[in-house]
Formats: sequence, C-alpha cells, structure tokens
Amino acid sequence: DGGITQSPKYLFRKEGQNVTLSCEQNLNHDAMYWYRQDPGQGLRLIYYSQIVNDFQKGDIAEGYSVSREKKESFPLTVTSAQKNPTAFYLCATCRTGKPYNEQFFGPGTRLTVL
Amino acid sequence: GENVEQHPSTLSVQEGDSAVIKCTYSDSASNYFPWYKQELGKGPQLIIDIRSNVGEKKDQRIAVTLNKTAKHFSLHITETQPEDSAVYFCAAVRGSSNTGKLIFGQGTTLQVKP
Repeated sequence: DGGITQSPKYLFRKEGQNVTLSCEQNLNHDAMYWYRQDPGQGLRLIYYSQIVNDFQKGDIAEGYSVSREKKESFPLTVTSAQKNPTAFYLCATCRTGKPYNEQFFGPGTRLTVL
Repeated sequence: GENVEQHPSTLSVQEGDSAVIKCTYSDSASNYFPWYKQELGKGPQLIIDIRSNVGEKKDQRIAVTLNKTAKHFSLHITETQPEDSAVYFCAAVRGSSNTGKLIFGQGTTLQVKP
C-alpha cells in the first residue's frame, strides 16, 4: 500500500446522503484510478485520471463524481443517485497512464449505507 | 467490450501442492496481463505480469503462462505455503486502450491447508 492513503477505512452513511472518499498519494504518479469491489466480482473501474484537471468515466460511473485538482489527490464522491453504494472502494495509482505500468493500490475504504 | 473470465472461484490445496488459476480474455488486441494478490482487508498487490510477446514468465515459486492463440493465461504456484492463502485476480489491459485501463477477472479464493 505504501504511499497511498485512503481514509477512513470504514465509513457509514445514511441512505440519501452524499459521501466523499479520500485518496492521497506521495508516489508522484500521474495516473489515478477508482475501483469498486463487490463479493464474488472483480474490480470494476469507476473513474480514472491520467493528469491533473482531467478525468474520464470508467465502466460504472453513474452515481459517482471525482475531481483532480492536485496531482496527489483524487477524491471520489458517492452521491445519492448511486443505487447500491455499499461496497469496498479501492484507489490505485500508476506512474503513467500507459500500458505495462504497475498499478499500486491503497488499503481501501469499506462504505456501508444504512 | 473486453471480458475476462477467471476459474475456479475457490481453490483449496494442501501445503506443498501446486495451485493453478486460469483466465480467458476476449479481446485479441490485449497485450499486458498482470496478476494481483489480495489479502484480507487490504488492497491488491501485483505479484507477476506478462506481456503478449512472451509465452512464460517465472519468479521463484510463481509462474504465468500465456497462450495468445487460445486467448488464455494461467497462474501457477508451486510448493504452496499457508501464507499464499488469499484472493488472486487476473487482469488484462484493454487492447485498444492507451490509458493502461485494466479489466479484472472475478477472483479466486485460494486456501492452503497446513
């Protein structure tokens, strides 16, 4: 995990509330990614950013939003429009957003919506 | 779009035995195939990867093989140890992607019994 911080580790929210998950990195990596992990499924890409002030939707972007104002930070907001937000959320970084480069993962945030 | 199928979903072996996990992919243009290990409550960590111009790669007790014609690749762990118990994910970079975006298999839970 080293160099990637996700906070908090566990997060509880009431249905209908927006919540923002933090991802900070000190690896000086250009690219950052958000994944969602559900039991029995692989990691699914929510959003990604290859450079500051630019980001693109992944496969399951509906109900989520992101920003990339600083190289070190890529926060994810889970909005009330997300139908089933309870999941394990993983942030990843990559030296560049090009193939063949290893993606490094943070420790994850487990979000539970009550 | 690209799809990655992973089998088996669970695998139980005795310590010292070998374990094999198989993945198939659909996009013949995919050219990079990493394998990740995820321990309980943590983010995934890269354990080995292979590029499409190589048929096999080995790192101590871990090896990966790639059959481009059949579009499948496999992870082989020899002399398994209890600390190998974890969830393993295969992934493939999207063939047409210049962004390093990965698509993941569903995961295999490996249990190594002492």
